[in-house]
This record gives sequence, structure tokens and C-alpha cells, in this order.
Amino acid sequence: QSALTQPASVSGSPGQSITISCTGTNSDVGAYNYVSWYQQHPGKAPKLMIYDVSNRPSGVSNRFSGSKSGNTASLTISGLQAEDEADYYCSSYTTTTTPWVFGGGTKLTVL
Amino acid sequence: QVQLVQSGAEVKKPGASVKVSCKASGFTFTGYYMHWVRQAPGQGLQWMGWIHPDSGDTKDALKFRGRVTMTRDTSISTAYMELSRLTSEDTAVYYCAKNVLPDSAAPGLDSWGQGTLVTVSS
Repeated sequence: QSALTQPASVSGSPGQSITISCTGTNSDVGAYNYVSWYQQHPGKAPKLMIYDVSNRPSGVSNRFSGSKSGNTASLTISGLQAEDEADYYCSSYTTTTTPWVFGGGTKLTVL
Repeated sequence: QVQLVQSGAEVKKPGASVKVSCKASGFTFTGYYMHWVRQAPGQGLQWMGWIHPDSGDTKDALKFRGRVTMTRDTSISTAYMELSRLTSEDTAVYYCAKNVLPDSAAPGLDSWGQGTLVTVSS
């Protein structure tokens, strides 16, 4: 069982916006502003989309945004495109003996 | 440009050990935490640990404590991850990844190796 809880799947039509949630505890998501999000296409390595809750690395589209409220972080993708179809993982730094944890992943389907 | 190039696929028998290498280029190797993450077939990402190449300090996940050893050779900008006492449940793609910010273990992993498939089978 993953430490961070994500929905197994979300879907949306091209042009729409979707939000993926990532729920943790006050030992991880709620404790630090060190939430990151990754996009992974089949057979490929993950790609960093958001770090430090809401920062986008250079080269990542501004259609991707991140936020956090309490123990829940969110990734929002606006103007959905076919190439956004992928698995998305959240991650957080934690106060526990395992200092990094990932969510279970969310499969995004673009209808 | 930043590159992390990992060693090739491995097939191991149960009880054996495997050592995966990750050669870095395009950035100051000693300035960034290097992480190891694995992904079993059809499963999610699992964090294994990190190493700071400058100091050699490491931190591993509780799940792997006592079985994982992370080292580095700064002369050739290469990080290594060795996992011992392998079982079939260790069959996975193993990735190395670099942190996005220097001298910080936390923020995010912005560059990843291509992955190394380790298959454990008798």
C-alpha cells in the first residue's frame, strides 16, 4: 500500500481541465512543501512536471500546475491534449524513517 | 545536456546480488543528490534511497534497509546501487535520478536514467 493516495484513474476530453489529487498525512504532504509530480508514458522513464508543490521545471508546459491544501496536493492539467495521456505520480518528502514516498499513480485517459 | 546512463539488463538467481551503475554527465555530479527508484512490472514507483556524491552520505527506505548499498565514484561521475538477497519480488526496472536543486534531497527528480531491468528467476 502506497503512503500517498491517488485516484486510480481520471479522464477528460481534449481541451478540458482535470485535477489529480494526492492525499497524505501531516507527516508528509502536510509537513513540507516538497510535493512533486511525475508524468510517465508506457515504457519510458518518469518526467518531472512539478516540484516544491507548484514550481514547473524549465520546458514543462504552463498547462500543468500544482497546489496544496492541508494534507492533499493536486495536479491540474488545463487544455487537455492527447499527448497528456499517461500515468501520473505524486511524491512527497516525509518526516518518517523513509524520507521519500510516492503515490500509487493515476492513469489519465484523454477521451 | 544532463545525461544519466545506466548499465544494462541483468538476470539473477534468487539469493544473489545485483549492482547497477549510473554514469552522470552534463552537470556537477558532486553537487546533487542522486536517488534510486524502482518499478515492478505493471506497478508504481518505489523510492529506494539517495546518496550525496560529495559526502557519500546515504539514506535508504526502511523496506530495503540491510539489503541496499549505495556508493559512488566521483572520479568517473558514477553512482552505484547494489541490492542483495534477491527474490522474485525484486524483479523490476531500477532507475537512478538526479534532484532538481543542488544540495537538496527533497524537491524533485528532474533527470532520470533510462532504467535497468533486473530479472530474478531460478
